[in-house]
Amino acid sequence: AQRVTQPEKLLSVFKGAPVELKCNYSYSGSPELFWYVQYSRQRLQLLLRHISRESIKGFTADLNKGETSFHLKKPFAQEEDSAMYYCALSGPIIQGAQKLVFGQGTRLTINP
Amino acid sequence: GAGVSQTPSNKVTEKGKYVELRCDPISGHTALYWYRQSLGQGPEFLIYFQGTGAADDSGLPNDRFFAVRPEGSVSTLKIQRTERGDSAVYLCASSLTREETQYFGPGTRLLVL
Repeated sequence: AQRVTQPEKLLSVFKGAPVELKCNYSYSGSPELFWYVQYSRQRLQLLLRHISRESIKGFTADLNKGETSFHLKKPFAQEEDSAMYYCALSGPIIQGAQKLVFGQGTRLTINP
Repeated sequence: GAGVSQTPSNKVTEKGKYVELRCDPISGHTALYWYRQSLGQGPEFLIYFQGTGAADDSGLPNDRFFAVRPEGSVSTLKIQRTERGDSAVYLCASSLTREETQYFGPGTRLLVL
């Protein structure tokens, strides 16, 4: 079964501290992994996807196939990072990624 | 350019009524997706269109739910005999092709009384 687990519903850190949002997945094969973010009063938007290997707004995520994890990290949190973060997976790009399976989300709050 | 738009933004209806939710994708996007997000949960996939055809409708919860995309652009999600459990935010997303990034609309918040 395809499943994404985000164990932390809420995460609070101080500005300037490192941030790590955890994501574990279950999938038979090699999925494509994503992080989506929803800022207050805005729509859901893509933060980064594994296949791009980009760093967006200082965030990075490393796919660990052995641990089936795709944790999101940022070395120094900023107040504007406060938002709801969703980890998601889809089938491999080679098969046409198609539908996304989302985790429950983690609400990140950056304290001044 | 204009993003994905959804109408109405909010819909309140009574149990047993019929509702239609509309999605206008980004112009030129061939793939269109519907998701449902219940309170405190992540979005859950409902149906995916490639052009005019429903390529994957495995997420539709039952036969009260139906969606169309007759001209390969605008899509309508139709819910018959609404139930209180249908209350949720219904999200639409589109992508240029099925491999590309999905762009989400603002959602329609449905409340069934």
